[in-house]
Amino acid sequence: KAGVTQTPRYLIKTRGQQVTLSCSPISGHRSVSWYQQTPGQGLQFLFEYFSETQRNKGNFPGRFSGRQFSNSRSEMNVSTLELGDSALYLCASSLAAGPTGELFFGEGSRLTVL
Amino acid sequence: GQQLNQSPQSMFTQEGEDVSMNCTSSSIFNTWLWYKQDPGEGPVLLIALYKAGELTSNGRLTAQFGITRKDSFLNISASIPSDVGIYFCAGQLDSGYALNFGKGTSLLVTP
Repeated sequence: KAGVTQTPRYLIKTRGQQVTLSCSPISGHRSVSWYQQTPGQGLQFLFEYFSETQRNKGNFPGRFSGRQFSNSRSEMNVSTLELGDSALYLCASSLAAGPTGELFFGEGSRLTVL
Repeated sequence: GQQLNQSPQSMFTQEGEDVSMNCTSSSIFNTWLWYKQDPGEGPVLLIALYKAGELTSNGRLTAQFGITRKDSFLNISASIPSDVGIYFCAGQLDSGYALNFGKGTSLLVTP
């Protein structure tokens, strides 16, 4: 069965622009979480969606937002990009009714902000 | 989120040797997990622990959930080259809460 799919895999933006990243979870998985990974900060939780509702949110500014569609696919958006937003953005899905630790990660979208 | 202290930050070992890494927290977690990330990939779950004192194995990997619920250990026996990667511990307060990740232990296995 197909794993978690993230698009695009790589992208380059300039400061001030905005970006949208997409995530298709494993079929049947209804919970989708997003993480930012950087060398200095490691994996940091952004937000988690279940049945189109945001259930958890990490400590990121309002420039970071997300949504989930009825087919469980999710998107995250970062507006007014800053250099520090350069990172690997990972999406993870979970089978359970709520978020559990047993997450299945995609390969990530690597964002570079110039 | 809660800070997890993972050590060592990096390590290298000779093929065939056993390695150990650990993770500590100032807070209690009810679930501890260990993930591995290969270059260019997302993390993959290795072992999940749900009970204090629990010792769980997955092939050559063994992990333990500390009895204080504030720490966890991962051991890899007889390391092989494909064990190379970054190992992350993660703690979860309870179902419904986000995972808190350690900063990872980078493992290099030399032939």
